[in-house]
Amino acid sequence: EAQVTQNPRYLITVTGKKLTVTCSQNMNHEYMSWYRQDPGLGLRQIYYSMNVEVTDKGDVPEGYKVSRKEKRNFPLILESPSPNQTSLYFCASSGRGGNEQYFGPGTRLTVT
Amino acid sequence: AQKITQTQPGMFVQEKEAVTLDCTYDTSDPSYGLFWYKQPSSGEMIFLIYQGSYDQQNATEGRYSLNFQKARKSANLVISASQLGDSAMYFCAMRGGRYGNKLVFGAGTILRVKS
Repeated sequence: EAQVTQNPRYLITVTGKKLTVTCSQNMNHEYMSWYRQDPGLGLRQIYYSMNVEVTDKGDVPEGYKVSRKEKRNFPLILESPSPNQTSLYFCASSGRGGNEQYFGPGTRLTVT
Repeated sequence: AQKITQTQPGMFVQEKEAVTLDCTYDTSDPSYGLFWYKQPSSGEMIFLIYQGSYDQQNATEGRYSLNFQKARKSANLVISASQLGDSAMYFCAMRGGRYGNKLVFGAGTILRVKS
């Protein structure tokens, strides 16, 4: 079954404590990205990756890091989380052309 | 820059009736794609329907159809025979970006189906 998995699904943490949200896809897609969803703003792209070792900033990259060491994995790293990063995060992947976009189940992050 | 506008923050519809959710878009790219996603209260993003800019016919998927009016830059979602399970947030999105894979989302419309 084609799928994108994310872990953890829920996370409550404190300001400044580094965390990583994992993302993995089993479709051999080149393109992966991270989005955050906030009320009234829809989803906004944080970072994306075109392939292994190729990443670039999206629209709201501040406070986040990513890496793409393997094609299937694209973790999101918050080195020093702050309360304004409390949000619902989605990982997504797509093949060339982008006509099929697959989303993970989401990670609900709360930073206190 | 690409932009998606959903002007209806919330909508109500009676069960078994049809409802139209509005979406307008702005882009200078001749090739683009438009998506609709459903997000129930559980939070996952569920793909509903896709329309390519060069597609001649409006896309349909079961009870969902996309009313694509290219000249007006609108891509409204029509849900026929609404069901209680259709109550959710609905997002319109456009495919674009440097590599054509980035999705730009609207703010969403909350749909409530009344029994």
